[in-house]
Amino acid sequence: GAGVSQSPSNKVTEKGKDVELRCDPISGHTALYWYRQSLGQGLEFLIYFQGNSAPDKSGLPSDRFSAERTGGSVSTLTIQRTQQEDSAVYLCASSSSGTTFGDEQFFGPGTRLTVL
Amino acid sequence: AQSVTQLDSQVPVFEEAPVELRCNYSSSVSVYLFWYVQYPNQGLQLLLKYLSGSTLVKGINGFEAEFNKSQTSFHLRKPSVHISDTAEYFCAVSGYTNAGKSTFGDGTTLTVKP
Repeated sequence: GAGVSQSPSNKVTEKGKDVELRCDPISGHTALYWYRQSLGQGLEFLIYFQGNSAPDKSGLPSDRFSAERTGGSVSTLTIQRTQQEDSAVYLCASSSSGTTFGDEQFFGPGTRLTVL
Repeated sequence: AQSVTQLDSQVPVFEEAPVELRCNYSSSVSVYLFWYVQYPNQGLQLLLKYLSGSTLVKGINGFEAEFNKSQTSFHLRKPSVHISDTAEYFCAVSGYTNAGKSTFGDGTTLTVKP
């Protein structure tokens, strides 16, 4: 079956521009996560959606970052007024009912963002 | 709060040798523990996980890990590695009560040499 998909796979933008990154989770998965992976570093948690509950935004690094999940499915991560330090691979993952229950996260291939 | 420390950023090893990738965690609540692998130019995938029960967990590709609560460790082992095991390995922890948020370590790059 289809896994988690992300688009675009690569995005090059100029400093100060806004970008939108899209994630299509596995159908039926109620939990969706966004992470950032910088070169040579681990995964930095950004935001977590679980069903209809309010998202856990505690990992968003600044108010330039926001995310929404429409209809409990597709999610969009928006970065406003991009900065060079935003350059990273942005990973999306989904799980059937959240890691609170020990569920495996299924990861997408990521979007590589480069801010010039 | 919870944290994960992967003690080795890079582990070079020869083919058919045993390997151990070390992971320590800290958490104020009971945890679930995971190891994920990221092969070159691929996404992360689950190797194995500890939820409860037996502290020795077996995963895919011949890997296993042992949960040690007293030492707050979850080291990953394989008795004989292959060239194809070359990848980045991530240890992760999620708490029973923190609404699903997972914390990942910085990763360990395993390089298997012929």
